[in-house]
Amino acid sequence: AQTVTQSQPEMSVQEAETVTLSCTYDTSESDYYLFWYKQPPSRQMILVIRQEAYKQQNATENRFSVNFQKAAKSFSLKISDSQLGDAAMYFCAYRSRTDYGQNFVFGPGTRLSVLP
Amino acid sequence: NAGVTQTPKFRILKIGQSMTLQCTQDMNHNYMYWYRQDPGMGLKLIYYSVGAGITDKGEVPNGYNVSRSTTEDFPLRLELAAPSQTSVYFCASSRDSRWYFGPGTRLTVT
Repeated sequence: AQTVTQSQPEMSVQEAETVTLSCTYDTSESDYYLFWYKQPPSRQMILVIRQEAYKQQNATENRFSVNFQKAAKSFSLKISDSQLGDAAMYFCAYRSRTDYGQNFVFGPGTRLSVLP
Repeated sequence: NAGVTQTPKFRILKIGQSMTLQCTQDMNHNYMYWYRQDPGMGLKLIYYSVGAGITDKGEVPNGYNVSRSTTEDFPLRLELAAPSQTSVYFCASSRDSRWYFGPGTRLTVT
């Protein structure tokens, strides 16, 4: 079974600075998706960024980028120019590309605080 | 599009009571899911559906039931509520490997 680990329960960053959230995963599959979701106090789960495992190029979305190391099974999220609105729980998630529905695995989350 | 909507937002149940959590999506997605999120934890899959009339168990299905009579609706039924079912419940739908989550239902069983 796949597992997702986020070793940092809490992180903090100064406004306008850069922070990196770590995520590692375990799988025997070669084709899959990885995601970072943001959950603000409103509890809505918001997709931040998505990476397809067969793509070597790291995904980027504005101030958010990932460092995807497939061999190391590592998928970290970098937030540049942090803003107060970035404060939230961040979940790393894995999904099998071929096994629909069943294998969507979330990590335990990292709570990010942004200091003014 | 309203996206994925869930009702109610909050609910308190007594042990042994039953209730249905409603979930509706207006994006014509075939895939729909129910997750629960316990305090300080990630999401765990309860049930999922790949289309109307088709449902299957996820990681933690015990104590729950689902039905999918239409593409839009995917209700989650709790029978004989237990304190262990105190959690936040998220409904989601997906298409082209993009997931859309509802706002969640906070359920307390006392």
